[in-house]
Amino acid sequence: AQSVAQPEDQVKVAEGNPLTVKCTYSVSGNPYLFWYVQYPNRGLQFLLKYITGDNLVKGSYGFEAEFNKSQTSFHLKKPSALVSDSALYFCAVRGRRDDKIIFGKGTRLHILP
Amino acid sequence: DSGVTQTPKHLITATGQRVTLRCSPRSGDLSVYWYQQSLDQGLQFLIQYYNGEERAKGNILERFSAQQFPDLHSELNLSSLELGDSALYFCASSDDFFDEQFFGPGTRLTVL
Repeated sequence: AQSVAQPEDQVKVAEGNPLTVKCTYSVSGNPYLFWYVQYPNRGLQFLLKYITGDNLVKGSYGFEAEFNKSQTSFHLKKPSALVSDSALYFCAVRGRRDDKIIFGKGTRLHILP
Repeated sequence: DSGVTQTPKHLITATGQRVTLRCSPRSGDLSVYWYQQSLDQGLQFLIQYYNGEERAKGNILERFSAQQFPDLHSELNLSSLELGDSALYFCASSDDFFDEQFFGPGTRLTVL
């Protein structure tokens, strides 16, 4: 069965520092991988996705993620954090033979001024 | 604005009742997804429809049902409501299988 894990409930980073939000997954075959962000009282917004090709994926708002097949990870990164990046971040995975999409439990990112 | 609309924004009802949540997908999107978000369960995928047909089923209770109409809007029906059904219900749409999803603003359901 496919699954996705976000091992950290929350991450705190000082403004201007690099940030990483971790995600690992388990799926049969090659995955489709996604990152979404949720601001308070809002629906989720798409950040980026990995389908195939280059392991480094660039997305919205300066975020990027690296697909690592051997470690089954898809960590979200940003070189320099902004206070406005504070939000709830979700990793999601979908198997290529499975129509179900699984979301992680979310990681709350706090950027400290 | 994602282009996905959901009505109503808030719904307060009593245990045992039945409610219907409505979703209009982004123009051109054929897939509609329903999710339940609660504090203790996180974001749970309920069901997906593609061009009127059920495509995938997640953790949807038997008391819940959904459908997608010919104009592609979708409705999620929740019956015999329990206190534990109180949650945010999101609808999302996408063009196809591997595409990113666009989420609506959600319907907050409170069961008293």
